[in-house]
Amino acid sequence: QPVLTQSSSASASLGSSVKFTCTLSSGHRDYFIAWHRQRPGEAPRFLMKLEGSGRYNKGSGVPDRFSGSSSGADRYLTISNLQSEDEADYYCETWDINTLHVVFGGGTKLTVL
Amino acid sequence: QVQLVASGGGVVQPGRSLRLSCLGSGFTFTNHAIHWVRQAPGKGLEWLGLAANHGRSQYYADSVKGRITISRDNAKSTVYLQVDGLRPEDTAVYYCTRNADHVNDFWGQGTLVTVSS
Repeated sequence: QPVLTQSSSASASLGSSVKFTCTLSSGHRDYFIAWHRQRPGEAPRFLMKLEGSGRYNKGSGVPDRFSGSSSGADRYLTISNLQSEDEADYYCETWDINTLHVVFGGGTKLTVL
Repeated sequence: QVQLVASGGGVVQPGRSLRLSCLGSGFTFTNHAIHWVRQAPGKGLEWLGLAANHGRSQYYADSVKGRITISRDNAKSTVYLQVDGLRPEDTAVYYCTRNADHVNDFWGQGTLVTVSS
């Protein structure tokens, strides 16, 4: 079963950019992932599906400030021109083709300074 | 617009059972698997299981297998999650999600379950 590894926290200044990393475990480096954002007190929201090629498809209404990229086993979410409302937890998710189970990373808490 | 409305949460005594419901609307319900995900207070997301779009297949996380049952009534556009033998550690917000192309692309608002005597 794949394991997704995320840093527990990140911080960046208003108006700057931040890049989150989600790392797939050995043997699963070709897997696609999804990125989700969860603001305090809210349900998670789907941001995008990101493939190993770097191709991504964003959810409805997700701003252009959000983009995805990939390198090897790493999947990235970049947010540019940070806004205060971007302060949230960011989770990655993948799907195990063998067991049909879903796996989540531990999440990264973003603080906007 | 797409909606997933989870209901049935509340305060439940340890050892009891609880059935949650997830009503979908605004999309073709039979085209999508529906998943259940929970989040304990201050913790991350934990996948529980899914009901396939046709309702004939279910898959469960190893951590809860044997204690949960997911079922689906497409005529009512509803998916159910039953949790048996509730424990304090089952206290969480329970979310249902719509799955498309093997990712969960829409989340309901969640329903809070508190297991306490």
